[in-house]
Amino acid sequence: EIVLTQTPATLSLSPGGRATLSCRASQSVGSNLAWYQQRPGRAPRLLIYDASNRATGIPARFSGSGSGTDFTLIISSLEPEDFAIYYCQVRSIWPPKDTFGQGTKLEI
Amino acid sequence: EVQLVESGGGLVKPGGSLRLSCSVSGFSLSSHSMNWVRQAPGKGLEWVASISSSSGDAYYADSVKGRFTLSKDNSKNSVFLEMNSLRAEDTAIYYCARDAWVAAHFLDHWGQGTLVSVSS
Repeated sequence: EIVLTQTPATLSLSPGGRATLSCRASQSVGSNLAWYQQRPGRAPRLLIYDASNRATGIPARFSGSGSGTDFTLIISSLEPEDFAIYYCQVRSIWPPKDTFGQGTKLEI
Repeated sequence: EVQLVESGGGLVKPGGSLRLSCSVSGFSLSSHSMNWVRQAPGKGLEWVASISSSSGDAYYADSVKGRFTLSKDNSKNSVFLEMNSLRAEDTAIYYCARDAWVAAHFLDHWGQGTLVSVSS
């Protein structure tokens, strides 16, 4: 079973700053990784799929990178609405099952 | 426009049952697999179950296997999660989410969620 470990658990930054969030998989997952943002009281929203592709409507300040076991989400210049919780996710091939990391809270 | 709307949540006693529905629009259930993901109060996301777009086969997390049943009605554009033998630890917001893929699978659209509370 794949385990995703996100670091740090909490990241405290200021608007305009640069955020670097990490996700490590317990075994190689190729580029099979997605990132989601969840604002308080809201449903999760897809940000990045296949490790580095921005979803429709996601601003260019969000970028994803990595392959194998180590992945990074960078938010280049933080806007007030970016302070939220971020999750990484991987899909196991068989049986089909999604695994989420425990989340990184990005706080002001 | 793709939309997913969950319903059916509520308060139920331990051991009880509940049926959640996810009504979708803007796409066909015969083209996209569907998932349920839950979030316990103050906790992270946990995948619960998925149903294949083509075969209708369903897959479950170990934590709900044997208690939850996932089904769908393509003609009604709806997905159903039948939850039996509910436990306190099933208390969560339940989200339905659409499956998409390019090189790998991901969840590209989510509903607003429905709250399930299991308590005596």
